Amino acid sequence: KAGVTQTPRYLIKTRGQQVTLSCSPISGHRSVSWYQQTPGQGLQFLFEYFSETQRNKGNFPGRFSGRQFSNSRSEMNVSTLELGDSALYLCASSPRTGGDRGYTFGSGTRLTVV
Amino acid sequence: GENVEQHPSTLSVQEGDSAVIKCTYSDSASNYFPWYKQELGKGPQLIIDIRSNVGEKKDQRIAVTLNKTAKHFSLHITETQPEDSAVYFCAATTPGGGADGLTFGKGTHLIIQP
Repeated sequence: KAGVTQTPRYLIKTRGQQVTLSCSPISGHRSVSWYQQTPGQGLQFLFEYFSETQRNKGNFPGRFSGRQFSNSRSEMNVSTLELGDSALYLCASSPRTGGDRGYTFGSGTRLTVV
Repeated sequence: GENVEQHPSTLSVQEGDSAVIKCTYSDSASNYFPWYKQELGKGPQLIIDIRSNVGEKKDQRIAVTLNKTAKHFSLHITETQPEDSAVYFCAATTPGGGADGLTFGKGTHLIIQP
């Protein structure tokens, strides 16, 4: 069965711009979580969506937002990009809400802000 | 919130030897402890997990142990092989996944020397 698909794989943006990342979860999975991965901070939780509703949100500024569609696909948006937003953004799908049922991660979107 | 410490940050072992990675957590309510393996250019992959009602779990060459009293858990890899070289992350969460999703350790870069 198909895994978690994230697009695009790589992005280069300029400071001040905005960006939208996409994630298609495993078929049948209704929970999608987003994580930011950087060498300094490691893996940090951004938010989780379940049945089109944001269930939880991590400690990130309001510039980071997301949404989930009726087919469980999810997008995350970062507005007014800063250099510090350069990171690997990972999407994880799960059959149930919460990470305690095991995540399946996508390969991530590598965002570089210049 | 939960805090997970992971040691060592880098571990180099000879092929065929055993490797042990240790993690401690702070929230006594945490009850789910997964381990992920991340290879270059890929997202983290779940390799084994343990719940707080179990002290040890094995899957072929991989085992995880949990000490609830001391709030620490460990990953043991026996008979290491070149394909075990990767970054390993431990994580923890409370029942239902918690408000912060999974809290990850900073990772251990495991190097298998031929």
